[in-house]
Amino acid sequence: EPEVTQTPSHQVTQMGQEVILRCVPISNHLYFYWYRQILGQKVEFLVSFYNNEISEKSEIFDDQFSVERPDGSNFTLKIRSTKLEDSAMYFCASSVGGAFNQPQHFGDGTRLSIL
Amino acid sequence: GQNIDQPTEMTATEGAIVQINCTYQTSGFNGLFWYQQHAGEAPTFLSYNVLDGLEEKGRFSSFLSRSKGYSYLLLKELQMKDSASYLCAVRPSYGGSQGNLIFGKGTKLSVKP
Repeated sequence: EPEVTQTPSHQVTQMGQEVILRCVPISNHLYFYWYRQILGQKVEFLVSFYNNEISEKSEIFDDQFSVERPDGSNFTLKIRSTKLEDSAMYFCASSVGGAFNQPQHFGDGTRLSIL
Repeated sequence: GQNIDQPTEMTATEGAIVQINCTYQTSGFNGLFWYQQHAGEAPTFLSYNVLDGLEEKGRFSSFLSRSKGYSYLLLKELQMKDSASYLCAVRPSYGGSQGNLIFGKGTKLSVKP
């Protein structure tokens, strides 16, 4: 069964450094998402992406965050200057369409640790 | 505001039936999803409800009452591998939405022999 893949599985970065998290969505999917989950807390929406542009973003997704689809397969999340509170598990998700009943399929996540 | 409530933890016995409840207050409603999440892993899609009533899928069933802002996930014939967190998520409906999900904190289910 096709799946969303994320790399790396674990990223350790010094505060203030830039980090790029990578995702390969399921190949025929058109809608892409980033979520994060701080340890022990709920999964939180960051951003949705369709047709090479951001569709929606949450209050968490401030100017330090950006997303890009640099080619036909990768979808990346960049944090420009990381803060301690950015430490979380970051999940990429994709769905085949934007219809309301289309489930989002999640990758295994990247655990980001900011020192 | 957006709020989704679930019990924090539940315990059940192998072979039994367990019901995990979820109540929601959101700015709009375009469906409710249930996901399973094993510790340290990705959420996995279980079910979707947008109309009132019961949706059955094997050992798992999900119920929705939109007027009450209420859903439950029913797990039958519990197995040890069902020990996981169960996440209730609502797709709200407001201008510009492209399908983002609002998640509850999840219910950690422990299945005991």
